[in-house]
Amino acid sequence: DQQVKQNSPSLSVQEGRISILNCDYTNSMFDYFLWYKKYPAEGPTFLISISSIKDKNEDGRFTVFLNKSAKHLSLHIVPSQPGDSAVYFCAASAYSGGSNYKLTFGKGTLLTVNP
Amino acid sequence: DSGVTQTPKHLITATGQRVTLRCSPRSGDLSVYWYQQSLDQGLQFLIQYYNGEERAKGNILERFSAQQFPDLHSELNLSSLELGDSALYFCASSPLRGGETQYFGPGTRLLVL
Repeated sequence: DQQVKQNSPSLSVQEGRISILNCDYTNSMFDYFLWYKKYPAEGPTFLISISSIKDKNEDGRFTVFLNKSAKHLSLHIVPSQPGDSAVYFCAASAYSGGSNYKLTFGKGTLLTVNP
Repeated sequence: DSGVTQTPKHLITATGQRVTLRCSPRSGDLSVYWYQQSLDQGLQFLIQYYNGEERAKGNILERFSAQQFPDLHSELNLSSLELGDSALYFCASSPLRGGETQYFGPGTRLLVL
């Protein structure tokens, strides 16, 4: 049962254009959502997050949108740069008791930004 | 640099063997998480330790075990290794509060031959 789904395994965009990465989830208990970026041979790097009480969070070129009714979030990168080429993981967090927040990851989307 | 360190970076071993992966969390972080990433798979949560105690278990096999030591570093022990255990193993850490954002180490690539 995959609770966090990234249905596009790959995405290719031109430098300077917008990249839109999508993520769907099924568990209504998720209350915090994160995007991680991963380069080959490195660990995932935290990029941006959004709480379920918001519908948008922006950080420089990166904006995350959350549509709770559709259980859908997206990451927009504007403008896209070749250095953004990486695998992007969507993750969702649910409180699991005590001080614990369990993260559930999607399978990732490989973004390629062409010069 | 996330501040999380993992050793070794690469590990090659044979089926049936046992290996130990090591993780040092970011300074001040009390929680350590272990994840497995196999080919074409996302990050699969294995286990979480908080301040030396096991806090949550995910899809961890009985052949695998972990512990967190008083200095907060953690070890993941993999025994009776099988070919299918070949994967990237990541460690992540988080502070007690705001624990939903986890910071990942560079990973250990395990190859079982």
